[in-house]
Amino acid sequence: SQKIEQNSEALNIQEGKTATLTCNYTNYSPAYLQWYRQDPGRGPVFLLLIRENEKEKRKERLKVTFDTTLKQSLFHITASQPADSATYLCALDMMDSSYKLIFGSGTRLLVRP
Amino acid sequence: GAGVSQTPSNKVTEKGKYVELRCDPISGHTALYWYRQSLGQGPEFLIYFQGTGAADDSGLPNDRFFAVRPEGSVSTLKIQRTERGDSAVYLCASSSTTGALGDTQYFGPGTRLTVL
Repeated sequence: SQKIEQNSEALNIQEGKTATLTCNYTNYSPAYLQWYRQDPGRGPVFLLLIRENEKEKRKERLKVTFDTTLKQSLFHITASQPADSATYLCALDMMDSSYKLIFGSGTRLLVRP
Repeated sequence: GAGVSQTPSNKVTEKGKYVELRCDPISGHTALYWYRQSLGQGPEFLIYFQGTGAADDSGLPNDRFFAVRPEGSVSTLKIQRTERGDSAVYLCASSSTTGALGDTQYFGPGTRLTVL
């Protein structure tokens, strides 16, 4: 069956450390993989997109890797801040007719001051 | 407008009633999506519009759910004979131009639907 898995347990880290979130998928062949941030009571906000032929993408303190052999993406936030506390969702961008996103269930990140 | 807006922000209804949820996409965005998000889960695709037409409605759970976008901008998600299991946050998203692969989807704040 098709699955997207993200750690269901919250990730709790100290301010200044690097947060690493994992997204694993099975029986999908996404063209792109996207990461979104979601705060309570709000809709997801786009952060980064990485293509299937890219290994790594960076944007400021954010870094995403994409390994299509392992079917895994890692999302890193360096020098984390309490304001980074949120739920982070990975989403597969399928090369089909609707370009719909298929989301994982998200991982909650808590950054302690 | 500056972003995607959705109304109402909260809707409480009784089992068996009919509800309409409205989405105003970013001006000029031709692609519009509806997703449903249950507590502790990621958004789940419902339907995709390109312009006025529903290009993919494969995510609608059953025929009680219907959506329209008559003029290619505002969309309304309609749910008939609501059931308690329909309780969730309904999210709308839009993307620019053709809604092509890799286009960023911009989400609204959602409508929280509670069916008693």
